[in-house]
Amino acid sequence: DVKVTQSSRYLVKRTGEKVFLECVQDMDHENMFWYRQDPGLGLRLIYFSYDVKMKEKGDIPEGYSVSREKKERFSLILESASTNQTSMYLCASSLNPQGQETQYFGPGTRLLVL
Amino acid sequence: GQNIDQPTEMTATEGAIVQINCTYQTSGFNGLFWYQQHAGEAPTFLSYNVLDGLEEKGRFSSFLSRSKGYSYLLLKELQMKDSASYLCAVRDPAGNNRKLIWGLGTSLAVNP
Repeated sequence: DVKVTQSSRYLVKRTGEKVFLECVQDMDHENMFWYRQDPGLGLRLIYFSYDVKMKEKGDIPEGYSVSREKKERFSLILESASTNQTSMYLCASSLNPQGQETQYFGPGTRLLVL
Repeated sequence: GQNIDQPTEMTATEGAIVQINCTYQTSGFNGLFWYQQHAGEAPTFLSYNVLDGLEEKGRFSSFLSRSKGYSYLLLKELQMKDSASYLCAVRDPAGNNRKLIWGLGTSLAVNP
């Protein structure tokens, strides 16, 4: 079974802090994704990566950066946390698309910025 | 633009059948997915359709009509544990289909 893990289930940070969210997958997947999910707004893609050191902006990259130094690990960085970044953050990974290969999600990190 | 529409909320009774619809408008088509998401948890994969017709998986079935840009998820013999949000997603033709375009989800409440 695919396993995607995230470093924290719950996190509380102060405005202006630098926040690191880490995601690790154990299935040698090429693609990794960071989403945030908010009520009424659904899943929104922040960034994704299709290879080590490669990244592409998603729909809402402002205020975030990412790092992928190793294939299995994809980090999301909030450079200076703000209250509007309070959200559920979901990491996902996938193989390159063929057949029903799809995205597998980690358990999520619920971030509260005070 | 690219868009997916699904109803926001539905209610059904335990033991009944419910159909959740999804319509999509995309510049191309390379597969449609249904996910289930319980409150506070991550989405989990339910089904995949790329050809027209019905795919059956136990109590859950998913249908696709590519000419109509339409899919539905059919849940039979509803159980209380089926109360969840159901997300429809299609592969994004841009960027070599690596990304998914997501609907906002349909929140299903199953009542006793």
